[in-house]
Amino acid sequence: QVQVVESGGGVVQPGRSLRLSCAASGFTFSSYGMHWVRQAPGKGLEWVAHIWYDGSGQFYADSVKGRFTISRDNSQNTLYLQMSGLRVDDTAVYYCARDQLSYFDFWGQGTLVTVSS
Amino acid sequence: EIVMTQSPATLSVSPGERATLSCRASQSVGSYLAWYQQKPGQAPRLLIYGASTRAAGIPARFSGSGSGTEFTLTISSLQSEDFAVYYCQQYTNWPPMYTFGQGTKLEIK
Repeated sequence: QVQVVESGGGVVQPGRSLRLSCAASGFTFSSYGMHWVRQAPGKGLEWVAHIWYDGSGQFYADSVKGRFTISRDNSQNTLYLQMSGLRVDDTAVYYCARDQLSYFDFWGQGTLVTVSS
Repeated sequence: EIVMTQSPATLSVSPGERATLSCRASQSVGSYLAWYQQKPGQAPRLLIYGASTRAAGIPARFSGSGSGTEFTLTISSLQSEDFAVYYCQQYTNWPPMYTFGQGTKLEIK
């Protein structure tokens, strides 16, 4: 069955960097675009970034543009989110989700990133 | 940027009754509208896409309608497992952008 599992979250100081990973299985990873979506504690959902199936296109929310980089390794069925210049308001659960052009059909359980001094 | 506004913020309904949740877009999104259900401590689950198409495995009591700027999610006869937070989400095709509503919490009356 389709499965995506995030990892790499933790506690990090403001201004530092962190890389999240998302391991995919149960589907042909290289045929699908992928996304990162986050949810601050007690808040709603916020789309963060999207990457095309072959990695040739990347798109970002304005709130993370220039600080976050989405990438993928299709040989390893893995999606990444490199986060730099982290801010307190980046604290959230980060979800990996599979793309179906206009919506997200499968989501992982998320990984918590806490930015705090 | 398209803003999605959901109403009400909280909806109290008794089991077995009908629930109607609304989502409004600040400009037309056509039929690029999806609905998700999220329970505490869980990831969101896709319910509806294309404004009215149920995702695989979603019970028939869930239905979506609308187009343009006004959308509705209806749950025809609430079951205990339906009490959760519901989000709508729109898609803009270029550059690709995705925006969620702030959510409607459906609680037991």
